[in-house]
Amino acid sequence: AQSVTQPDIHITVSEGASLELRCNYSYGATPYLFWYVQSPGQGLQLLLKYFSGDTLVQGIKGFEAEFKRSQSSFNLRKPSVHWSDAAEYFCAVGGSNFGNEKLTFGTGTRLTIIP
Amino acid sequence: KAGVTQTPRYLIKTRGQQVTLSCSPISGHRSVSWYQQTPGQGLQFLFEYFSETQRNKGNFPGRFSGRQFSNSRSEMNVSTLELGDSALYLCASSSIGLAADTQYFGPGTRLTVL
Repeated sequence: AQSVTQPDIHITVSEGASLELRCNYSYGATPYLFWYVQSPGQGLQLLLKYFSGDTLVQGIKGFEAEFKRSQSSFNLRKPSVHWSDAAEYFCAVGGSNFGNEKLTFGTGTRLTIIP
Repeated sequence: KAGVTQTPRYLIKTRGQQVTLSCSPISGHRSVSWYQQTPGQGLQFLFEYFSETQRNKGNFPGRFSGRQFSNSRSEMNVSTLELGDSALYLCASSSIGLAADTQYFGPGTRLTVL
């Protein structure tokens, strides 16, 4: 069974500081990995995704993530956060078998930005 | 291109009632998935429909059901509501529902059961 662990429930970062959100996954086959962001009262917006190829993936809003197979990790990074980045971030893993298409989400990391 | 729309945005029901939520996917998308989001359990997969067929189902009781119409619009129904069904219900659509497809989420329907 696939699973995702986001060990940090809440992170507080100063505006302009760098950010790294951790994500570890468990999946028996080739994982498809995603990072989504959710602002209060909103649905989820895709930040970036990894399927294969280059292990460093660029996304929207200046985010990037690095896939490390040996560590089963897919950490999200941003060099300099903005106040508008305050939101909840979800890492997700998808199945690679047609007909078993579902996303398994982590429990999320709430990001607070302080001035 | 219009995004995923969900109606209604907010619902208040009482225990024992039933409720139907609606989801209109992005034009051209044929796969629709439903997720339940609660503070305690997080985001959990309910089911996925493709071409009017339920293709995958999560671990929810039979009170949760869904269907998809020929125009890809989908509805989910919860019968005999319980307090624990209070949640944000999210719908996501994708092109053909492969794991590699990007799922686009709607804003959700906030269901409160009293």
